[in-house]
Amino acid sequence: KQEVTQIPAALSVPEGENLVLNCSFTDSAIYNLQWFRQDPGKGLTSLLLIQSSQREQTSGRLNASLDKSSGRSTLYIAASQPGDSATYLCAVGGETSGSRLTFGEGTQLTVNP
Amino acid sequence: NAGVMQNPRHLVRRRGQEARLRCSPMKGHSHVYWYRQLPEEGLKFMVYLQKENIIDESGMPKERFSAEFPKEGPSILRIQQVVRGDSAAYFCASSPFRDTEAFFGQGTRLTVV
Repeated sequence: KQEVTQIPAALSVPEGENLVLNCSFTDSAIYNLQWFRQDPGKGLTSLLLIQSSQREQTSGRLNASLDKSSGRSTLYIAASQPGDSATYLCAVGGETSGSRLTFGEGTQLTVNP
Repeated sequence: NAGVMQNPRHLVRRRGQEARLRCSPMKGHSHVYWYRQLPEEGLKFMVYLQKENIIDESGMPKERFSAEFPKEGPSILRIQQVVRGDSAAYFCASSPFRDTEAFFGQGTRLTVV
């Protein structure tokens, strides 16, 4: 059974700092990995999708890496801003269906002005 | 192209009533996934449907819960005889194919009083 763990559970940083969010998963037989952002009381916004054959994806200030063999992914946020404050969720797509996701508990990020 | 539409956004039911949650996938998407987010917990997969078929219902409670995705119309998640423990945010996601990126709706927040 796939399990996804995110560390840290919460993170508070000053504006402008570069930061790294970690995600690990127990079963390396994944189809893809997605990073999402969730604002309080809102839905999920997809940030980055990495296929299992890829090593990383970039979008603006965000960079996500994937090391499938070791069961790890990191989300790097450069030059953090107060608007980045949200919960960041990591989710892996299983072999049977890449779109059926197993989620981590999330990292709650606060960027202080 | 509108995103995944869920309604209602908020639903209040008394214990013992029925709750019906609707999800209209993005245009051209024939795969629908339901997830539940209990208070202070991560998102958990419930059920995966394709038009007129349930593909994977391994995450759905055996009793009181059912889901359908008819040939015409939205996908429906139905909870019979709701209890306080059913209070949660229910998210729907859709994808065009089985192993592609899933897009999420804003969720339905169910409160059982």
